Amino acid sequence: SAVISQKPSRDICQRGTSLTIQCQVDSQVTMMFWYRQQPGQSLTLIATANQGSEATYESGFVIDKFPISRPNLTFSTLTVSNMSPEDSSIYLCSVEESRVVSPNTEAFFGQGTRLTVV
Amino acid sequence: DAKTTQPNSMESNEEEPVHLPCNHSTISGTDYIHWYRQLPSQGPEYVIHGLTSNVNNRMASLAIAEDRKSSTLILHRATLRDAAVYYCILRDVLLNFGNEKLTFGTGTRLTIIP
Repeated sequence: SAVISQKPSRDICQRGTSLTIQCQVDSQVTMMFWYRQQPGQSLTLIATANQGSEATYESGFVIDKFPISRPNLTFSTLTVSNMSPEDSSIYLCSVEESRVVSPNTEAFFGQGTRLTVV
Repeated sequence: DAKTTQPNSMESNEEEPVHLPCNHSTISGTDYIHWYRQLPSQGPEYVIHGLTSNVNNRMASLAIAEDRKSSTLILHRATLRDAAVYYCILRDVLLNFGNEKLTFGTGTRLTIIP
C-alpha cells in the first residue's frame, strides 16, 4: 500500500493569493490525482497528473487556476491561484498503484488540505 | 460512466450488522463494484470490491445481486469507528489511459449509535 503525505494539512489564506499544496508518496506511482471536496459535498476530480506529461484537467477546471507539477514518480504539487472564498475546500491527493489493468487496483488518498479563503 | 444510487444516510446500533445498499442498474459487464469510505477529517479509504461473486475481507463483505444491478456492503459488527460516508463506485476493468479516475457519488453517511 502507498502512504501519502500532504502539506499543509490546513491553511487560511487571503483572497487573491495563491497556495501550493504538496503531495509526497512513499513509493513510485505512475498516476496521481487531485480532488476537491467542497464543504458537505462529495469528491470531485480536478485533474490527473502523470510524470513526464501535462496534467489532464476535468471539465470546469483549468490549468491557469489549478496549475499542477509532477516532477517525479513520488511527488506532485497543486497550486490554487488567485483564490476567492469559493475555493474554500478540502483538496486531496490520490494515487493508484499501477497503470496495469488489475481487478485488485485500489486508490490511496492523502489526509487532505483544508483551505479557507478569507 | 454508469451511475450508482445510495441512501443519503443510515443509522445502526453499535455491535449490530449493517447493510449498506447500492443500486447500479446501468452497470456494464466489465464494471467492478468498489466501495470506499471516508472517516471524519480523513481521505477516503478502500473497503472492498467485486465483480460477480460475493467477496469477504477483514473489513467487510460485499453481496452482489445475481443480475449485478445492485449490491450490499455488509459490516458484520459495527463499531463507533465505522461511522463514515460510504461510497459505492463502479470501475471499468478495461482501464484505459484517461479513464482510470474514480467518480464519487454522494455516498451514504453511516451513523453508529452507542
